[in-house]
Amino acid sequence: DQQVKQNSPSLSVQEGRISILNCDYTNSMFDYFLWYKKYPAEGPTFLISISSIKDKNEDGRFTVFLNKSAKHLSLHIVPSQPGDSAVYFCAASIQGAQKLVFGQGTRLTINP
Amino acid sequence: DTGVSQDPRHKITKRGQNVTFRCDPISEHNRLYWYRQTLGQGPEFLTYFQNEAQLEKSRLLSDRFSAERPKGSFSTLEIQRTEQGDSAMYLCASSRRTGGAAEAFFGQGTRLTVV
Repeated sequence: DQQVKQNSPSLSVQEGRISILNCDYTNSMFDYFLWYKKYPAEGPTFLISISSIKDKNEDGRFTVFLNKSAKHLSLHIVPSQPGDSAVYFCAASIQGAQKLVFGQGTRLTINP
Repeated sequence: DTGVSQDPRHKITKRGQNVTFRCDPISEHNRLYWYRQTLGQGPEFLTYFQNEAQLEKSRLLSDRFSAERPKGSFSTLEIQRTEQGDSAMYLCASSRRTGGAAEAFFGQGTRLTVV
């Protein structure tokens, strides 16, 4: 039962353009969402998060949008840079719980 | 600043052997988590400690797996009688935020290969 899904295993974007990574979830109890970035041979690094009381959170080049009615969130990176090439995981949690439920990841490649 | 430290980084073991991994969390972080990541998948939750108390265990954590966190500092994850299906990246994370989900900081992981 995959409660958090990232349906695109990979995404290729030209440097300077916008990267949009998508994530869907099925559990309506989730109320906190996070994006992690992972380079090879390293652990995931926290990128940005959003609470279910918001529909947008922005941090520099990174913006996360949450559409609760569609149970969908997306991460926008603009402008995309070569250093953004990595695997991106979305994760979700329920308030009071300490477990994060991760999606399968999307490999983002930024082409020069 | 030392982040979450895991040791060893890589471990190759023969099927049936026992292995133990260590995790040193960020100091002052009272919450510690273990996750497992297999190829092509995201990390999957295994267990969670608050200080020295193990408060939650996933059904993925079979009776061959045991985790400890003596004195609420470092943690160990032991796998007994390893099987090829145990081959994965084992990730440790820690956090200090209270009241729910946290932006956990992950270590670099221990990659286990069972041959």
